Amino acid sequence: SQQGEEDPQALSIQEGENATMNCSYKTSINNLQWYRQNSGRGLVHLILIRSNEREKHSGRLRVTLDTSKKSSSLLITASRAADTASYFCATDEGRGSRLTFGEGTQLTVNP
Amino acid sequence: EAGVVQSPRYKIIEKKQPVAFWCNPISGHNTLYWYLQNLGQGPELLIRYENEEAVDDSQLPKDRFSAERLKGVDSTLKIQPAELGDSAVYLCASSYPGPFETQYFGPGTRLLVL
Repeated sequence: SQQGEEDPQALSIQEGENATMNCSYKTSINNLQWYRQNSGRGLVHLILIRSNEREKHSGRLRVTLDTSKKSSSLLITASRAADTASYFCATDEGRGSRLTFGEGTQLTVNP
Repeated sequence: EAGVVQSPRYKIIEKKQPVAFWCNPISGHNTLYWYLQNLGQGPELLIRYENEEAVDDSQLPKDRFSAERLKGVDSTLKIQPAELGDSAVYLCASSYPGPFETQYFGPGTRLLVL
């Protein structure tokens, strides 16, 4: 079963614009991760944020975590056509628990 | 460094036939995962191995699915017999040293059951 829900399900923007994707989850978590999946390919890890962190940056990526609202957001700044992919959040509840993925947001960046 | 290798990349079979998928994880990664990904969905864990031991197989349909990881390196996932609903992408991933480090995914095997 899916732990999280991503919002929106699909997002289409122009190159250079920012893209924001949201993830909500249901249970208490230990870590939250974001992955990218290009069409027909495997998933690539983007960033991990721990439950005691509120914000993390990596290049053009900015992730926030609000454990009181059980939600996270992924911001991609200055988007490029190559950012076109599906983006998934994934959570774990602590050591010994599984990594549970959301249903993903399909991002299309138009050149 | 080579990534996670999976074969075959694509497989088309008729229902009730057996099928097997193979995964070679990144060298030194002792944790290996098999996921199932349906179209438009996120991956769902089927089984997780720590070395040779299956430590989480609660979501593996054991009546038709089986997996093994002999010698704690390569792994094989088998379906026998396959059903129409098994059509999906089967992803293998590995990580080091524990289950909450970054998982590295292979390209997946796309299975179509006719």
